[in-house]
Amino acid sequence: DVKVTQSSRYLVKRTGEKVFLECVQDMDHENMFWYRQDPGLGLRLIYFSYDVKMKEKGDIPEGYSVSREKKERFSLILESASTNQTSMYLCASSPPGSVSGNTIYFGEGSWLTVV
Amino acid sequence: AQKVTQAQTEISVVEKEDVTLDCVYETRDTTYYLFWYKQPPSGELVFLIRRNSFDEQNEISGRYSWNFQKSTSSFNFTITASQVVDSAVYFCALSEGGYQKVTFGTGTKLQVIP
Repeated sequence: DVKVTQSSRYLVKRTGEKVFLECVQDMDHENMFWYRQDPGLGLRLIYFSYDVKMKEKGDIPEGYSVSREKKERFSLILESASTNQTSMYLCASSPPGSVSGNTIYFGEGSWLTVV
Repeated sequence: AQKVTQAQTEISVVEKEDVTLDCVYETRDTTYYLFWYKQPPSGELVFLIRRNSFDEQNEISGRYSWNFQKSTSSFNFTITASQVVDSAVYFCALSEGGYQKVTFGTGTKLQVIP
């Protein structure tokens, strides 16, 4: 069965802290994604990666960076957390090739609160 | 640019009622894919259906059915005889052919009251 695992469900961090959100998938998928979900705005793509060490900016990359050193792991990094980054973060993966037409599989989400 | 509109923010129905969730999309591509996902309170988005732009056949899966109409750029989702377990946020999404990006709608929160 398909599985995308996000290491932390709930986090509370202070403004200015460096925050790491970890995601692991066990499906040998090439494509991995980080989305942010906010009420009334739906899901917005932060970054995606289509191969190890490759990354592409999504719609809202500002204030975030990512790391993909291994195929199964995709990390989202907030270099200096701010209160406007309080949100639900969703990691996802999809099979190789173009994303279009491929089903995207999601993790359970990480609720981040920045105080 | 691609866009997905789910005009219904929240819907409440009484159990056993039928309910339709609307989805309207915009794209300039002739090849594209449409999706519906369910997000229960636990948070994980669960894939429900995928439809490509060349297949306008409606689909039924148990109590779920989907109506795809290219003429109106709509991909609506109907739940027949709703149940409390259907309570969730439902997202419609669109990806264009050969393009590594999926655009999601803002979601419709469905509450089924016992």
